[in-house]
Amino acid sequence: DTAVSQTPKYLVTQMGNDKSIKCEQNLGHDTMYWYKQDSKKFLKIMFSYNNKELIINETVPNRFSPKSPDKAHLNLHINSLELGDSAVYFCASSRSRLWADTQYFGPGTRLTVL
Amino acid sequence: AQSVTQLGSHVSVSEGALVLLRCNYSSSVPPYLFWYVQYPNQGLQLLLKYTSAATLVKGINGFEAEFKKSETSFHLTKPSAHMSDAAEYFCAVSDVTGANNLFFGTGTRLTVIP
Repeated sequence: DTAVSQTPKYLVTQMGNDKSIKCEQNLGHDTMYWYKQDSKKFLKIMFSYNNKELIINETVPNRFSPKSPDKAHLNLHINSLELGDSAVYFCASSRSRLWADTQYFGPGTRLTVL
Repeated sequence: AQSVTQLGSHVSVSEGALVLLRCNYSSSVPPYLFWYVQYPNQGLQLLLKYTSAATLVKGINGFEAEFKKSETSFHLTKPSAHMSDAAEYFCAVSDVTGANNLFFGTGTRLTVIP
């Protein structure tokens, strides 16, 4: 069983479109995250949710909107896609928001904006 | 604010040789430190973590890291490299000012030469 899963794995789209990436975890964790990995492999936190409540919202354009329908899901919706949004997006989860809790990562979604 | 610096974006070792990947941290409080590995086209997997217990931390796949406060370092080592160790390695520090937010280094690509 996959612990943290993301769909789709690859997403190719045109500038200006709206797209969503879905994330699900079956670990029973309370906290979920979205990270962005750019072309130079640099990873940066975007959002964090704890029990469906937003707790981290880094400097991310408001075209990005996370939504957590329940504890096991954290989706990422992106409006008006731009070339610079091309990246690999990783979902992660942890048991709680405590600093020492391990984060478990999904396989990533490679977004390419043309 | 917490941050990590990984020295050397690329490291090459011969199969059977010692692996040493360097990570230095910056933190105003005792940090929680992590090493993650990313195999090609996959998500991140935790190798090991330091959470202020023993300074020598053993992880999976024969890796270990030593926390040295005097040097603000958390270098990753493995006595004998295997071909399967070829991957991207990320050092990370946990944001202790708020939620469990990880700040990642820029990564080190390990190549193992047969």
